[in-house]
Amino acid sequence: GEDVEQSLFLSVREGDSSVINCTYTDSSSTYLYWYKQEPGAGLQLLTYIFSNMDMKQDQRLTVLLNKKDKHLSLRIADTQTGDSAIYFCAESPILTGGGNKLTFGTGTQLKVEL
Amino acid sequence: DGGITQSPKYLFRKEGQNVTLSCEQNLNHDAMYWYRQDPGQGLRLIYYSQIVNDFQKGDIAEGYSVSREKKESFPLTVTSAQKNPTAFYLCASSTLEAGSSYEQYFGPGTRLTVT
Repeated sequence: GEDVEQSLFLSVREGDSSVINCTYTDSSSTYLYWYKQEPGAGLQLLTYIFSNMDMKQDQRLTVLLNKKDKHLSLRIADTQTGDSAIYFCAESPILTGGGNKLTFGTGTQLKVEL
Repeated sequence: DGGITQSPKYLFRKEGQNVTLSCEQNLNHDAMYWYRQDPGQGLRLIYYSQIVNDFQKGDIAEGYSVSREKKESFPLTVTSAQKNPTAFYLCASSTLEAGSSYEQYFGPGTRLTVT
């Protein structure tokens, strides 16, 4: 079945850039998403990228997609303490009438230090 | 405000009791989903529904049941058959309209503790 992998932890200093990486196995992935989860809360959609794109930028967030290597990354510029959270990547196969079943990674805990 | 609401935020039950978690959305989304999250793990799909009066099992449906009598509502019942029910439960919804990006929107979650 589909598998999505992420490293568990990342620690950066305030003001630096953070890069969170994700690899996936499903070559039919259509959309790939990044979600943020703060302690005790639900998931907040940050951004997504369609599989025919290589890059997407949205303010401080840059998503890079290497479809050949099935590698997705999220870069957060000028990381702030408010960015401390768990970040999940998720992939979605082509919608075939089976609902939009997302496969989530295990999440990367980002810690921003002063 | 459009969004997804889950209630209650915290729920405590004794072992052997069934418990129902509420999920309501006013986003006019066709599809709704229930996930379970355990510490240090990603989200695992329990059940999902694409249309009223229809739903499908996800990856870990055993010990759970759902209903979809209204488009806005997708309650989840955790039965006494679920061996390890203590977890954080998240409800989500999405549109299934062609041409959309099909992203899922999440509620704030319900933390269930069974003792």
